[in-house]
Amino acid sequence: DAGVTQSPTHLIKTRGQQVTLRCSPKSGHDTVSWYQQALGQGPQFIFQYYEEEERQRGNFPDRFSGHQFPNYSSELNVNALLLGDSALYLCASSLETGGRDEQYFGPGTRLTVT
Amino acid sequence: AQSVTQLDSQVPVFEEAPVELRCNYSSSVSVYLFWYVQYPNQGLQLLLKYLSGSTLVKGINGFEAEFNKSQTSFHLRKPSVHISDTAEYFCAVSETGPGTYKYIFGTGTRLKVLA
Repeated sequence: DAGVTQSPTHLIKTRGQQVTLRCSPKSGHDTVSWYQQALGQGPQFIFQYYEEEERQRGNFPDRFSGHQFPNYSSELNVNALLLGDSALYLCASSLETGGRDEQYFGPGTRLTVT
Repeated sequence: AQSVTQLDSQVPVFEEAPVELRCNYSSSVSVYLFWYVQYPNQGLQLLLKYLSGSTLVKGINGFEAEFNKSQTSFHLRKPSVHISDTAEYFCAVSETGPGTYKYIFGTGTRLKVLA
């Protein structure tokens, strides 16, 4: 049973560029959340997708956007990259059962902005 | 607004000694509580969770945590640590109400087990 997978593993971009990160949820999961983890910090919630819609968003600017596909996979897009966007981006999947099922995390994508 | 405080940024402990990692939270509503572990260059793995019921929760790898509502704490404990427990540990909370799905994480505690 495949867990949460993310691609790419590492990415280097230049300020002002745009980036797309991808996530495939754990088999059977229908909900995807994205987190940003800066060096030495805990993960910070960016947004969550369920039924192909963003249903909750954290304190991140509109430069951060996302998408969920019918197969539940998801993309995180970041426009006009800033140096401060350098971080580990984590995807987490869960099953929307009406309760509070745990979130399963992927290994992350390490984004470096130069 | 919710917040999570992990007071100890780093905890060194000798192998086979007991350890406690502290977590305090602030919330105006009921919460679910979680402890995750992160090994170098990896994602987060759930150690244990408190949703309701017994306040003493047992998790994987011999870890346990106790929910104390009056002190708004959820401290993680292990009676005897191993070298392999060296990792970063994160406490997280999530509100129980409808329409709230995000986890709020603490800044993490780095557990270093010494031989």
